[in-house]
Amino acid sequence: AQKVTQAQTEISVVEKEDVTLDCVYETRDTTYYLFWYKQPPSGELVFLIRRNSFDEQNEISGRYSWNFQKSTSSFNFTITASQVVDSAVYFCALSEHGSGNTGKLIFGQGTTLQVKP
Amino acid sequence: EAQVTQNPRYLITVTGKKLTVTCSQNMNHEYMSWYRQDPGLGLRQIYYSMNVEVTDKGDVPEGYKVSRKEKRNFPLILESPSPNQTSLYFCASSSMSSSNQPQHFGDGTRLSIL
Repeated sequence: AQKVTQAQTEISVVEKEDVTLDCVYETRDTTYYLFWYKQPPSGELVFLIRRNSFDEQNEISGRYSWNFQKSTSSFNFTITASQVVDSAVYFCALSEHGSGNTGKLIFGQGTTLQVKP
Repeated sequence: EAQVTQNPRYLITVTGKKLTVTCSQNMNHEYMSWYRQDPGLGLRQIYYSMNVEVTDKGDVPEGYKVSRKEKRNFPLILESPSPNQTSLYFCASSSMSSSNQPQHFGDGTRLSIL
């Protein structure tokens, strides 16, 4: 069965600290896609990144980086030198290529990140 | 500007009073879907649509209806709302009915059913 687990419910850091948000997924598909979304206090969902199951290269975008490891079924997200504006709920999500290709996103429970000044 | 627009943003209503949440996208996307967000559960898919006149159930379709008469619109209908449908609702669209396309989300509709 497909599942996404974000074990960290809440994380609190002080500005400029690095922080890693964990994401572990389960799927029987060999082709799948992983996503991270950010939900700031205003409530909208902002797409951050997509990763394909056949591409294990890590990715860096400014202060954000993502570590995809198929061997441990993890897709972790690191924010370097965190800022107050990074305070948000972060969701990891999985989409499977099979299962009739419904496009459904399976979301984790979300991790609330609070960055204090 | 490319966007997914939901209305209303907030609604408080009573049990049994039919309501419709509208969703419109201006990106000519084939795929649209509805999710609900509840604390501790993340987001769960309610219904989705691969294209005009093609809709199907997601994981939590009970108590909801949808229609897709035009490509840009995908309204969510609650025929007889109940308190357990109090939630934050998101409409999403993407450029193909494909699992690898990032979905663009609306700003959300917060429904309270009393």
